[in-house]
Amino acid sequence: KAGVTQTPRYLIKTRGQQVTLSCSPISGHRSVSWYQQTPGQGLQFLFEYFSETQRNKGNFPGRFSGRQFSNSRSEMNVSTLELGDSALYLCASSLFSPVKGDEKLFFGSGTQLSVL
Amino acid sequence: SQQGEEDPQALSIQEGENATMNCSYKTSINNLQWYRQNSGRGLVHLILIRSNEREKHSGRLRVTLDTSKKSSSLLITASRAADTASYFCATPPQGGSEKLVFGKGTKLTVNP
Repeated sequence: KAGVTQTPRYLIKTRGQQVTLSCSPISGHRSVSWYQQTPGQGLQFLFEYFSETQRNKGNFPGRFSGRQFSNSRSEMNVSTLELGDSALYLCASSLFSPVKGDEKLFFGSGTQLSVL
Repeated sequence: SQQGEEDPQALSIQEGENATMNCSYKTSINNLQWYRQNSGRGLVHLILIRSNEREKHSGRLRVTLDTSKKSSSLLITASRAADTASYFCATPPQGGSEKLVFGKGTKLTVNP
C-alpha cells in the first residue's frame, strides 16, 4: 500500500506570495490532518478534513486554509506569506475512530517551506 | 494547547546502551501514542498504549504508562545508530478542536 505523499518536497517563496501544498492520503483513509512544525513551537495542528468537510481547526490565522477533494486528496493554502511561516508542513492520514485520540496517524515526508 | 512534555530534550548514548525517554501530561487521557521522526522527515507511529494498560512491548521498544502520575516512558533497548531520531509522545486533545497533541520531543543520538 502506498504511503502518504506530499508535494512538493521543498518550496522557496518570498513574503507576500501565496503557496499551495498537496497531500495524497493512504488509500481508504478519509481523514487528512495538517501540522506545522518549527524548531521553536514544535508540532502545531492546523486543521483536519474528513469526507471533504473541515472537522477540526487549530489556532491559526485565516491566511491558512485547506480543502479536501472527493478522492480524499487534500490541499492547504497559505496566502500573504510571512517570514514566520517558514516551517515543515506535515500531512497525516488516518482511519476514522470513534474514540478521540485513538487514531494512528500516518505522516507524509512533509513540505519544507522557506519564506525569504 | 500542549499536553505532553518529553524529558530529556536531548539524549546522547553509545550503541548497545538503553535509552529512556519520559513524557508527562496534564489531564486524564484514554490512550497515549509514541512517534519517531528522522531528521526533516515525517513522523512514524511506534506504539499506542491505552489507559488500562501499564506496559506494552514492540520489538526493542517498551512503553509504560502511569496514569496516577500522568506520565509515560519509552525504553529502547540495545540501541543502534539507526535509532537516532526525535521521539514524540502524543495525547488526545482536551477540547474538541484538535487532532492528536504532540510534545516537543526528545532528540536521541546513538553514537556508533
